[in-house]
Amino acid sequence: AQRVTQPEKLLSVFKGAPVELKCNYSYSGSPELFWYVQYSRQRLQLLLRHISRESIKGFTADLNKGETSFHLKKPFAQEEDSAMYYCALSGNAGGTSYGKLTFGQGTILTVHP
Amino acid sequence: DGGITQSPKYLFRKEGQNVTLSCEQNLNHDAMYWYRQDPGQGLRLIYYSQIVNDFQKGDIAEGYSVSREKKESFPLTVTSAQKNPTAFYLCASSPLTGGIDTDTQYFGPGTRLTVL
Repeated sequence: AQRVTQPEKLLSVFKGAPVELKCNYSYSGSPELFWYVQYSRQRLQLLLRHISRESIKGFTADLNKGETSFHLKKPFAQEEDSAMYYCALSGNAGGTSYGKLTFGQGTILTVHP
Repeated sequence: DGGITQSPKYLFRKEGQNVTLSCEQNLNHDAMYWYRQDPGQGLRLIYYSQIVNDFQKGDIAEGYSVSREKKESFPLTVTSAQKNPTAFYLCASSPLTGGIDTDTQYFGPGTRLTVL
């Protein structure tokens, strides 16, 4: 069974401070990991995926297979980063994931001025 | 964003009634999904469909039913058998074309269902 854990329900930082949203996963195969974000009054949208290895809005995330983690980081948080963040996993057992995602519980990030 | 629409935005239902939530997409995506979003529990998969006339149960399918008669449409019915239906329901679609975007899910704006 696959599982995604986000240990922090709430995370508060001040503007300009570094931020790290934690995500750990459990999956026996080769996972694909994603971060989705939901800003206030907007729909849930993809922030980044590990396979792209890109930085979006200053955020990066590195897949650490040894620690089974995919933490989301940003060196200098901005007020507009305040949102709900979900870590998600797409299992690829047998070469077919069917696009199914398993989501973590979500972390609400608040960036104070 | 406008590629996936859900209606209505808010829905009220009396106990014992079935209610159907609409989800339509014009992205030509093969796969569609229904999730339930509850505070502190994240998103939980209810049903998903990879092709027309085929669908599979997700993690919390009890009390729900779906149909996929058209590629563009994936309605969700919340039946009276669902014990705790008050929640925010999200529909999503995914291309499944095999490219780098294949697993990316695109979400609708959601429907908030309240059982009175």
